[in-house]
Amino acid sequence: GAVVSQHPSWVICKSGTSVKIECRSLDFQATTMFWYRQFPKQSLMLMATSNEGSKATYEQGVEKDKFLINHASLTLSTLTVTSAHPEDSSFYICSARQTNEKLFFGSGTQLSVL
Amino acid sequence: GQQLNQSPQSMFIQEGEDVSMNCTSSSIFNTWLWYKQDPGEGPVLLIALYKAGELTSNGRLTAQFGITRKDSFLNISASIPSDVGIYFCAGKRETSGSRLTFGEGTQLTVNP
Repeated sequence: GAVVSQHPSWVICKSGTSVKIECRSLDFQATTMFWYRQFPKQSLMLMATSNEGSKATYEQGVEKDKFLINHASLTLSTLTVTSAHPEDSSFYICSARQTNEKLFFGSGTQLSVL
Repeated sequence: GQQLNQSPQSMFIQEGEDVSMNCTSSSIFNTWLWYKQDPGEGPVLLIALYKAGELTSNGRLTAQFGITRKDSFLNISASIPSDVGIYFCAGKRETSGSRLTFGEGTQLTVNP
């Protein structure tokens, strides 16, 4: 299957700092990428849809100023958690969509905010 | 919120046994996907289904797209310890663009 690289795998940061997570589609171009949040033993919760060259579409209840998304190229989307707080600690996963509707996921980023 | 009912929530089986899990919805889906997630990793695509009635295999895994387009099942035959993980179904509705709706997951434990 297609490869989606997500970096970093884990990050620990102090409260109030910002953290950037990168998501790259390595062997295909993705006009659409998605960002999810996952709590332990729960399913994936869609946060936003990242569209190349345009603004991201956020799900209801997700603060767009808190979770900044940039999709500047067909192979890269970034999620920046701004002014992170302990309640933002979670597992964040990105995915990229191929033209055949298959969705491939990155390996996830475990964020811990102290 | 979640609109896919996935069952069972968890399963404890012996190595060699067959496993079956399913997802149902009150909505019609035009694509069904099945994923497996290991701890601390992102979900890995197992099988993709695009047409009602479609039956697709991937090694010991078999999945079907229900005729009503409101359900799908995944079977695992002759389970092995490395099958342990969480299995998610995901569906795409015609009206949802590229967005997927995920089931709550089935936690599979295989005892050697």
